[in-house]
Amino acid sequence: LAKTTQPISMDSYEGQEVNITCSHNNIATNDYITWYQQFPSQGPRFIIQGYKTKVTNEVASLFIPADRKSSTLSLPRVSLSDTAVYYCLVLRRSSASKIIFGSGTRLSIRP
Amino acid sequence: DAGVIQSPRHEVTEMGQEVTLRCKPISGHDYLFWYRQTMMRGLELLIYFNNNVPIDDSGMPEDRFSAKMPNASFSTLKIQPSEPRDSAVYFCASSLDWTANEQFFGPGTRLTVL
Repeated sequence: LAKTTQPISMDSYEGQEVNITCSHNNIATNDYITWYQQFPSQGPRFIIQGYKTKVTNEVASLFIPADRKSSTLSLPRVSLSDTAVYYCLVLRRSSASKIIFGSGTRLSIRP
Repeated sequence: DAGVIQSPRHEVTEMGQEVTLRCKPISGHDYLFWYRQTMMRGLELLIYFNNNVPIDDSGMPEDRFSAKMPNASFSTLKIQPSEPRDSAVYFCASSLDWTANEQFFGPGTRLTVL
């Protein structure tokens, strides 16, 4: 499965829009891009998944360019409660093997 | 549904002892996953089951680790004998199927081996 690269950490302020970009140069045709969020002392929580173009739900938007070699998770108007680690994963629907969470991006939101 | 349930939440044991972690997946979910999280290695997939059958255990670190799923509502991860380097948070997760790719994680078991 494609390896992902994302920033180790990011800082922002309440009310701002935050964009976290993930690179996955070796993504395959059968692969989907999935993002999880993890708060301290909790298990990861699914945020959003997409294959191409744009996906939006009540929590976030996911932008995927045509070549699918990268993706951007967009969090609108963040609050202090969005402080967490965000993981970008490339997953293959045909198999759950080789799931790699990586180091994630530690997002810190300040007042 | 109460979500994925794990027990115990915390476990402190001495090196050489047997440790058993337990997980109850969300009812109706066909997939169950065991993960381990440490500062050094991040979140690692250890093993996953589909319909109670182990599919891929390539992430299990050593023969000291074993996992079972005797029925659709219960799974165990056993470490025998335990070692200090096994200290970590162990998560269990379940998913309805694999096409959705959405896993629901339990609260984790924090294991400390002295």
